[in-house]
Amino acid sequence: GNSVTQMEGPVTLSEEAFLTINCTYTATGYPSLFWYVQYPGEGLQLLLKATKADDKGSNKGFEATYRKETTSFHLEKGSVQVSDSAVYFCALPYNQGGKLIFGQGTELSVKP
Amino acid sequence: DTEVTQTPKHLVMGMTNKKSLKCEQHMGHRAMYWYKQKAKKPPELMFVYSYEKLSINESVPSRFSPECPNSSLLNLHLHALQPEDSALYLCASSPAGFNEQFFGPGTRLTVL
Repeated sequence: GNSVTQMEGPVTLSEEAFLTINCTYTATGYPSLFWYVQYPGEGLQLLLKATKADDKGSNKGFEATYRKETTSFHLEKGSVQVSDSAVYFCALPYNQGGKLIFGQGTELSVKP
Repeated sequence: DTEVTQTPKHLVMGMTNKKSLKCEQHMGHRAMYWYKQKAKKPPELMFVYSYEKLSINESVPSRFSPECPNSSLLNLHLHALQPEDSALYLCASSPAGFNEQFFGPGTRLTVL
């Protein structure tokens, strides 16, 4: 099945700093790629997705581009806010059967 | 309605108790999932239901028993759990074709 490797945290940034969280994958074909976010005490929320190579997913100021050449889907945001403090998970389907594979998660803490 | 709901939000049970977790979605999704998540770890898939039939069981102990009474409802019956089963239990759903999954807020389970 497919697999994913995600940059581990924790990551601590000051407000308005630039954020990059690295995610690389190994996959058969070109599956959809996802970033999920989990705020403290909550479930996972789909942050953004990309369904084919060169697609750019974006939401709430976050962006990620599906790069097949480098098998990467790095998450970026130009100016983080304290409210972005959360755990971020990169994910893709394991195979055709519905199972999602998640990265280990990156905990982001943004200080005022 | 664009959300997955889960009840209860918190549950404390003894090792001899029987309890159930409930999950509901009204998005017309035909796949539903149970995940277990330990603190600061990615979710681990437990079960997948597709069109109300169990399609994946990730070798989960029999003390966890899933049930899908209809296309909108998913239950997880718990019996004779162990303290190591304490975790956040997440339900998710996805449209047919296993695209992105939408998660509920989870049930925080503590086994004493």
